[in-house]
Amino acid sequence: NAGVMQNPRHLVRRRGQEARLRCSPMKGHSHVYWYRQLPEEGLKFMVYLQKENIIDESGMPKERFSAEFPKEGPSILRIQQVVRGDSAAYFCASSPGTSSHEQYFGPGTRLTVT
Amino acid sequence: GQNIDQPTEMTATEGAIVQINCTYQTSGFNGLFWYQQHAGEAPTFLSYNVLDGLEEKGRFSSFLSRSKGYSYLLLKELQMKDSASYLCAVRDGAGRRALTFGSGTRLQVQP
Repeated sequence: NAGVMQNPRHLVRRRGQEARLRCSPMKGHSHVYWYRQLPEEGLKFMVYLQKENIIDESGMPKERFSAEFPKEGPSILRIQQVVRGDSAAYFCASSPGTSSHEQYFGPGTRLTVT
Repeated sequence: GQNIDQPTEMTATEGAIVQINCTYQTSGFNGLFWYQQHAGEAPTFLSYNVLDGLEEKGRFSSFLSRSKGYSYLLLKELQMKDSASYLCAVRDGAGRRALTFGSGTRLQVQP
């Protein structure tokens, strides 16, 4: 049973480019969470999605960031016009449903903006 | 607002016991979690407390006092592989599933 998968593992973008980060939850999981970890800082919640719905986006920056979790395929975190401050590790976590409290984390995507 | 505090770094000796404390102030409470994160890797789930008391799982135990806004993670019989960051996280409100994390405690186990 494969765990949470994220790709790419490492992503380098120049300032002003777009970054697309993908997350495939564990089999049978329909809830996805995105977190950001800046260097030497803790994980910060960004957004919580279920299939085709954004449930909680209270941690998402108001501009340039968007997320989706379509009916088919992985969840996507999209960052437009990246800036150096976007350089961080982006972790995705999944859980099976509202009855479960545990979130299983993927290996993360390390975004470097040059 | 949300505030979760834990020590930045700790050092302990192989075979010993170490206690990592976490205090929190959140607008609500619906569970406290401990995760382990090795450098460059994903956080892995260690424990979950929602009621006061001690939860034991092998060499790891976690304690919660909701009235004090306090938790600790206890690691026994320390091994070198336990060198990692330990993250305290709180789910702060009924119906809200996002986790609020502390900055983590970096534990160094020495021979």
